[in-house]
Amino acid sequence: AQSVAQPEDQVNVAEGNPLTVKCTYSVSGNPYLFWYVQYPNRGLQFLLKYITGDNLVKGSYGFEAEFNKSQTSFHLKKPSALVSDSALYFCAVRDLNDYKLSFGAGTTVTVRA
Amino acid sequence: EAGVAQSPRYKIIEKRQSVAFWCNPISGHATLYWYQQILGQGPKLLIQFQNNGVVDDSQLPKDRFSAERLKGVDSTLKIQPAKLEDSAVYLCASSLRDPTEAFFGQGTRLTVV
Repeated sequence: AQSVAQPEDQVNVAEGNPLTVKCTYSVSGNPYLFWYVQYPNRGLQFLLKYITGDNLVKGSYGFEAEFNKSQTSFHLKKPSALVSDSALYFCAVRDLNDYKLSFGAGTTVTVRA
Repeated sequence: EAGVAQSPRYKIIEKRQSVAFWCNPISGHATLYWYQQILGQGPKLLIQFQNNGVVDDSQLPKDRFSAERLKGVDSTLKIQPAKLEDSAVYLCASSLRDPTEAFFGQGTRLTVV
């Protein structure tokens, strides 16, 4: 069975400071990893993904994430947060041998001006 | 390209009534997902189709929920009879066969009173 853990319900940062949202995963095979963002009353929007290759992947809106196989983590990062980054962020995982896409519980990010 | 279309956007029904949601995925996407997102939680996969076949429905409450994807294109999700705990946002998503990201519709917000 596959699963995703987002250990922090909330992350609060000041605008201009680095932002990190944590994610760890568990799969039986090789993982496909994704980050999504959800704004109020909106559907989930895709940010970035790791399939294979370079452990550091870059995505939309200046976000990036680092795949760490030994720590089974895929943390989302942004060097300088904006107030407009305030939203709900979800990490998701797929097993290489399975089409099923499983989501974490989400992390609410608040960026204060 | 057009995104994932869902209707209706909002629905209020009384408990024990029935309701149906409709989803039209992105053209050419073979995989279609229905997720249930209860307020404050991450999306929970209800059912996943690959073309018109079911890949995973292990978390679908089959005594009251049903879904179909005739002709491998659009899909309907039905609840009959509805319970208060079914109040949630129902998200439809689609993806190319493998191993790409899923694209989400805006969802249907169901309130059962």
